[in-house]
Amino acid sequence: EPEVTQTPSHQVTQMGQEVILRCVPISNHLYFYWYRQILGQKVEFLVSFYNNEISEKSEIFDDQFSVERPDGSNFTLKIRSTKLEDSAMYFCASTRETGELFFGEGSRLTVL
Amino acid sequence: AQSVTQPDIHITVSEGASLELRCNYSYGATPYLFWYVQSPGQGLQLLLKYFSGDTLVQGIKGFEAEFKRSQSSFNLRKPSVHWSDAAEYFCAVGARRGSTLGRLYFGRGTQLTVWP
Repeated sequence: EPEVTQTPSHQVTQMGQEVILRCVPISNHLYFYWYRQILGQKVEFLVSFYNNEISEKSEIFDDQFSVERPDGSNFTLKIRSTKLEDSAMYFCASTRETGELFFGEGSRLTVL
Repeated sequence: AQSVTQPDIHITVSEGASLELRCNYSYGATPYLFWYVQSPGQGLQLLLKYFSGDTLVQGIKGFEAEFKRSQSSFNLRKPSVHWSDAAEYFCAVGARRGSTLGRLYFGRGTQLTVWP
């Protein structure tokens, strides 16, 4: 069964460092998303991406964040200068037009 | 404002007992409603969804949910719980945006423990 894969599963970084989280969406999907879950809090929407551009972003997704689909298969989330409060589980998701989101297993980011 | 409330943080049931997990939402447009399950170390797996039509929807693993517009609720039920159902359950609400789904708003989750 096709699935969304994310790497790394866990990353530890120092505050101020750049981090790139990678996702391989399901191959025939067209819409891509990043969500995050800070420990003990709700899963929160970050950004959606379609046709090589951001289609929607939340107030969390500020200038420190960026997304890219560099090669037609990967979908990346970059955090330019990490802060302590960026520590969270980051989920990638994808869908075709049905609206049924398929989530990856998440990348846990720990900022020290 | 859009929001989802799952009033039960943690529920414990015995194996074979029935289960109901509560979800209430606040959403300005016609909602699309979802239940996701997350086992430890796993991603979010879709259990079921409601877009329109029959308000009682069937999902995977024997789960069902009923959409009640008058109560702004979308409670998840299962008649007989199995030990493997122990996990965290998330209710989410969203709406169509163009040709696909807009952002989802999630509840805080309900942790289900199953006693043997």
